[in-house]
Amino acid sequence: DAEITQSPRHKITETGRQVTLACHQTWNHNNMFWYRQDLGHGLRLIHYSYGVQDTNKGEVSDGYSVSRSNTEDLPLTLESAASSQTSVYFCASSEGAGVTDTQYFGPGTRLTVL
Amino acid sequence: GNSVTQMEGPVTLSEEAFLTINCTYTATGYPSLFWYVQYPGEGLQLLLKATKADDKGSNKGFEATYRKETTSFHLEKGSVQVSDSAVYFCALLEQGAQKLVFGQGTRLTINP
Repeated sequence: DAEITQSPRHKITETGRQVTLACHQTWNHNNMFWYRQDLGHGLRLIHYSYGVQDTNKGEVSDGYSVSRSNTEDLPLTLESAASSQTSVYFCASSEGAGVTDTQYFGPGTRLTVL
Repeated sequence: GNSVTQMEGPVTLSEEAFLTINCTYTATGYPSLFWYVQYPGEGLQLLLKATKADDKGSNKGFEATYRKETTSFHLEKGSVQVSDSAVYFCALLEQGAQKLVFGQGTRLTINP
């Protein structure tokens, strides 16, 4: 079955380190998204991509970067991790065929920055 | 900008009670509206959606009607079960875009 996976599921790192979170989908979806989930804020969009070589900033993109070299993957990189980036990170994808597309979410990565 | 406001949680109910979770939105144009559910330790799953005014989305006994006049998309269920305990998110999809805007989420606990 097609799916969307994230790895690692849990990560503890230190302030200042570079961290990369992986997201892989097998639906061949054009659109991919990264969100962070924090108590009291719901989910906030970090970066998104509408296709290979396309990336765009969301509302909370500072300190994060993404690249899209193929359809299946959108890795999220924290260039220099900060304690404020401790959060649960969700990747999502959607087909991209129309404005009512449903987004499908991965299981999440819990990141702790010490 | 676009925004979604949900009723404050947490919400605690007894099994078989009637559930309403309020959701209102602010948007330009005509967004699509969604309810997502997050069970403990899992990612978000689509619960239901509505794409235009007066549409009713329904799934697993849950319903929500897209009310343009009141800019609302309240979630209802007639008789909740313990298995409905989860966090519920209301969201809108900006017209012409593919980006979701989420409310802050409402934690629902159902006691037997």
